Amino acid sequence: NAGVTQTPKFRILKIGQSMTLQCTQDMNHNYMYWYRQDPGMGLKLIYYSVGAGITDKGEVPNGYNVSRSTTEDFPLRLELAAPSQTSVYFCASSYSTGEGTIYFGEGSWLTVV
Amino acid sequence: AQSVAQPEDQVNVAEGNPLTVKCTYSVSGNPYLFWYVQYPNRGLQFLLKYITGDNLVKGSYGFEAEFNKSQTSFHLKKPSALVSDSALYFCAVRDMDSSDRGSTLGRLYFGRGTQLTVWP
Repeated sequence: NAGVTQTPKFRILKIGQSMTLQCTQDMNHNYMYWYRQDPGMGLKLIYYSVGAGITDKGEVPNGYNVSRSTTEDFPLRLELAAPSQTSVYFCASSYSTGEGTIYFGEGSWLTVV
Repeated sequence: AQSVAQPEDQVNVAEGNPLTVKCTYSVSGNPYLFWYVQYPNRGLQFLLKYITGDNLVKGSYGFEAEFNKSQTSFHLKKPSALVSDSALYFCAVRDMDSSDRGSTLGRLYFGRGTQLTVWP
């Protein structure tokens, strides 16, 4: 019952560094998402994918990149980390866009100093 | 545009008392509505959803939610609160407007969350 798995759980980055948040799901879901959560702000969509090879921007894509080479994996790349990217990041997936429930990973806590 | 409002940042209730966490929404077409719960340092867990049918939806852990189309609300309720229910609760609406197909189709729009505290 792995579901959506994210790594790392915690990470501290220096300003200007780059890193990749890994996300994999074992539910054969076509749709995958990356959200960020800031205190009191709810969740904001960064990028999403409707299938392998297809990605699209969400509400707050600046400073991030994604790829979707397989159905299972949807890594999020942070280029030139900035303090404004300090946040909790959640990867999620769903089977469909209709009644399908979106399932979330456990989150990745990122601090940029 | 789709949006969700959770008018209360915090809800405090005594254990054993009923609880309500409020949610109102704005969508172009028919709403698909969801409630999620987040425990400290954890991901979001699905509680329940309304797609169609009976306006009262039952979900996990004894929670239920009532869909009210005229008031565009989807309040989360539980008849008897437990201390273990203390968590952050998010309401979300799915964009299913057929006239807005394309890049936003299927997105979930989240409220800002309501912190529920149940004291012993």
